Amino acid sequence: GIQVEQSPPDLILQEGANSTLRCNFSDSVNNLQWFHQNPWGQLINLFYIPSGTKQNGRLSATTVATERYSLLYISSSQTTDSGVYFCAVWNKLTFGGGTRVLVKP
Amino acid sequence: EAGVVQSPRYKIIEKKQPVAFWCNPISGHNTLYWYLQNLGQGPELLIRYENEEAVDDSQLPKDRFSAERLKGVDSTLKIQPAELGDSAVYLCASSLSNSEVDTQYFGPGTRLTVL
Repeated sequence: GIQVEQSPPDLILQEGANSTLRCNFSDSVNNLQWFHQNPWGQLINLFYIPSGTKQNGRLSATTVATERYSLLYISSSQTTDSGVYFCAVWNKLTFGGGTRVLVKP
Repeated sequence: EAGVVQSPRYKIIEKKQPVAFWCNPISGHNTLYWYLQNLGQGPELLIRYENEEAVDDSQLPKDRFSAERLKGVDSTLKIQPAELGDSAVYLCASSLSNSEVDTQYFGPGTRLTVL
């Protein structure tokens, strides 16, 4: 099946810092989604982004489907950004292992 | 609009006992998903329903797991008998359809502990 790998596995940020999370996938996909799982376990969809770039507030995402990767950018990070960020590809609904983000005040 | 509802939120059972989880999707959502999430890992799909039909259950351990979605609305996932390795969070999600552009909405999950 398709492999989805995320990096880095863990990220510690000072409040206000910017960061980039990466998602690599092993095969062509029809769509890719980014999710945030908050410290209480709730998964929230951030972006549906099969290709191109989208922005929502301080978050933006870019998928380069031909090169099989997607990037999630967090700008001016806040403590509420803490949690685990997952990318998931629609083919077989496969999730990556996640990037655990801790934003310190 | 109410989100995806799951119950119970927490369940502790002895091994070899049966257990059931319930999910009510967002009203009008035809597609329902059950996922298993182990600690420190991403969710893994167990089964996907289109209305009342299970269209992808290839990753459901059918020797002990079963699921149903009668009337194409709410769904129940059952484990019988439970094993120690079944301790995990069981997540339910729904989407309007199986369209690739549809967003999945997740419930809060049921945390199962098997002793």
